[in-house]
Amino acid sequence: AQKITQTQPGMFVQEKEAVTLDCTYDTSDPSYGLFWYKQPSSGEMIFLIYQGSYDQQNATEGRYSLNFQKARKSANLVISASQLGDSAMYFCAMRESAGGTSYGKLTFGQGTILTVHP
Amino acid sequence: DGGITQSPKYLFRKEGQNVTLSCEQNLNHDAMYWYRQDPGQGLRLIYYSQIVNDFQKGDIAEGYSVSREKKESFPLTVTSAQKNPTAFYLCASSQGTGSYYGYTFGSGTRLTVV
Repeated sequence: AQKITQTQPGMFVQEKEAVTLDCTYDTSDPSYGLFWYKQPSSGEMIFLIYQGSYDQQNATEGRYSLNFQKARKSANLVISASQLGDSAMYFCAMRESAGGTSYGKLTFGQGTILTVHP
Repeated sequence: DGGITQSPKYLFRKEGQNVTLSCEQNLNHDAMYWYRQDPGQGLRLIYYSQIVNDFQKGDIAEGYSVSREKKESFPLTVTSAQKNPTAFYLCASSQGTGSYYGYTFGSGTRLTVV
């Protein structure tokens, strides 16, 4: 079963508008971390934002915020005021506790390609 | 500046050849990982190491081998047994294995079979 699901293969947004990238996850571990990474065409993976399973508030990092809905197992990334440089592949990832069967590794979704139009 | 260095950036392999991808980190991280990425796909775990002289198979280890003789280094060998090695390979490290630790990634090696 997929642990991380990103249902949007591609998304388009107009420059300066906000966009939401969807991510749902599946785990029975009460302790886990959710991460979003950006991958430009160069291939490097850039960390954007982190949300812990016990965090009461949604995480924010500059123009990035994470809409964390624990009961729905959803961790959507919101990018406000999109810029042309935001065009990239975006990955949602989950890390469960090291004592579980996942051995503390990061598990990635399939990614969403975001294209920002001028 | 601390980080992860992967080399080479591009690598071409002939059929039946073994090739080794280098991954070096100066972050003093204990855990290191190798992932494979196919075009338009997510990352899949090949091997990981939580400590020197110890490593474990990930989800797609067949046709690959690794070593972890030094904390700083975690080379990946793509053997001739790997039937479809053309892909983008990413090395990563983590300060720990807790769920709150993210990864630091290298810039990747693009391997092509010719």
